[in-house]
Amino acid sequence: AQSVTQLGSHVSVSEGALVLLRCNYSSSVPPYLFWYVQYPNQGLQLLLKYTSAATLVKGINGFEAEFKKSETSFHLTKPSAHMSDAAEYFCAVSAYGGSQGNLIFGKGTKLSVKP
Amino acid sequence: GAGVSQTPSNKVTEKGKYVELRCDPISGHTALYWYRQSLGQGPEFLIYFQGTGAADDSGLPNDRFFAVRPEGSVSTLKIQRTERGDSAVYLCASSLTGQGGTDTQYFGPGTRLTVL
Repeated sequence: AQSVTQLGSHVSVSEGALVLLRCNYSSSVPPYLFWYVQYPNQGLQLLLKYTSAATLVKGINGFEAEFKKSETSFHLTKPSAHMSDAAEYFCAVSAYGGSQGNLIFGKGTKLSVKP
Repeated sequence: GAGVSQTPSNKVTEKGKYVELRCDPISGHTALYWYRQSLGQGPEFLIYFQGTGAADDSGLPNDRFFAVRPEGSVSTLKIQRTERGDSAVYLCASSLTGQGGTDTQYFGPGTRLTVL
C-alpha cells in the first residue's frame, strides 16, 4: 500500500534562507509523487509532480524536488524563501502508481517565513 | 477559465440532519474526486468518478455517505444523519482524464462543514 510521511509539521525559516520540506514515501509500484501548496482559505494548488521522467523536477514559484529511489524520498526545496511562500505544503503519492486515480496525502508541513 | 467551484463554502448543521455538498468541475474534465480534510490532517480520499460512474468509492467511511454525478459533470456529496465527527473541509478535485502522468488534479476551495 502507498503512504507518505512528512517530517516536521511546522518549519520556520528566515526570508532569503533555504527552504527544505521533507517527504518520504512507501509504494509497492513505481510511484507518481506530487507536492501541493495550500494558502489560507484557498484550495490546493499543484507545485510540481514526478512521473518517472527526470528525477529533478522543477515547479512553480522557484520550487523543485528530487526523486531519490534509494532513499524513498521526494524532498521539496527552494533556494531563497519569500514571505509569500508562507503556506501549508502537502506531499502526495498516487494510490495506484501510473494510473493516477486518487492521491494519498501526507499530514502537511506548515511553512512560516520570518522577515 | 473557471476552476473547480464548490457550494456552499460553509455549512453549519445540527447532528442528525442531512446535508448536500455540490461540486462543479472544470468543463470537460471526466474525472472527479472527493476528499475530506480534518483539522491538522492532509486530505483523505472519499470517492472517484470517471464520467457518471463511481470508479472507486473505497474511501467512503460508511453508508451515511453517498455521492452522485448523474450527467458526468456536477457532483453532489450527500451525508445522512450527520455526526459531529463529520465536521471537516470537504474538497473536490477534477482532472481531464484520470489516467496517466500528464493528468493533474485541480482542487476547489472546499466546503467547511460544521456539525453542532
